[in-house]
Amino acid sequence: AQSVAQPEDQVNVAEGNPLTVKCTYSVSGNPYLFWYVQYPNRGLQFLLKYITGDNLVKGSYGFEAEFNKSQTSFHLKKPSALVSDSALYFCAVSLYNTDKLIFGTGTRLQVFP
Amino acid sequence: DGGITQSPKYLFRKEGQNVTLSCEQNLNHDAMYWYRQDPGQGLRLIYYSQIVNDFQKGDIAEGYSVSREKKESFPLTVTSAQKNPTAFYLCASSLTSGSSYEQYFGPGTRLTVT
Repeated sequence: AQSVAQPEDQVNVAEGNPLTVKCTYSVSGNPYLFWYVQYPNRGLQFLLKYITGDNLVKGSYGFEAEFNKSQTSFHLKKPSALVSDSALYFCAVSLYNTDKLIFGTGTRLQVFP
Repeated sequence: DGGITQSPKYLFRKEGQNVTLSCEQNLNHDAMYWYRQDPGQGLRLIYYSQIVNDFQKGDIAEGYSVSREKKESFPLTVTSAQKNPTAFYLCASSLTSGSSYEQYFGPGTRLTVT
């Protein structure tokens, strides 16, 4: 069965420092991977996706993610965190020729000034 | 959230009443989805629709119903059979239901049933 794990409920980082939000997946095929961000009482916003090709994917707001097939991971990164990056981040996976996204449980990112 | 509207933002109902949540999109997307979000559980798929007049159950469809009479609209009814309806409900759409396409989300409706 497909699954996504976000092992950290919360990540704390100081403004200006690099940040990493972790995601690992378990699928029986080639995955399509997504990152979304959710601000309080709002819908989810798409950040970036990996479909195929270059393992380093760049997305919105300076975020990037690295696909690592051997470690089945797709960690979200940013070189320099901003206080405004504080939000709930979701990793999601789908498989070729399926209609569904499977979401992780989310990681709350807190950036301190 | 642009292109997808959900109304109302907050909804309060008494137990035993059916309630319908609205979702409209002007993105010309074929596929639409309904999710339920509970704290610490991520998003769970309730129903999805790939085309007008057709829809499929997701992982937690019991106690919910949907219709897709127009491409732009995908209303969700929370029936009295849903045992724990209080939650944040999110509607989404995508260009098609193909798995490589990202979904665009509405702002959500927070339903409280007492």
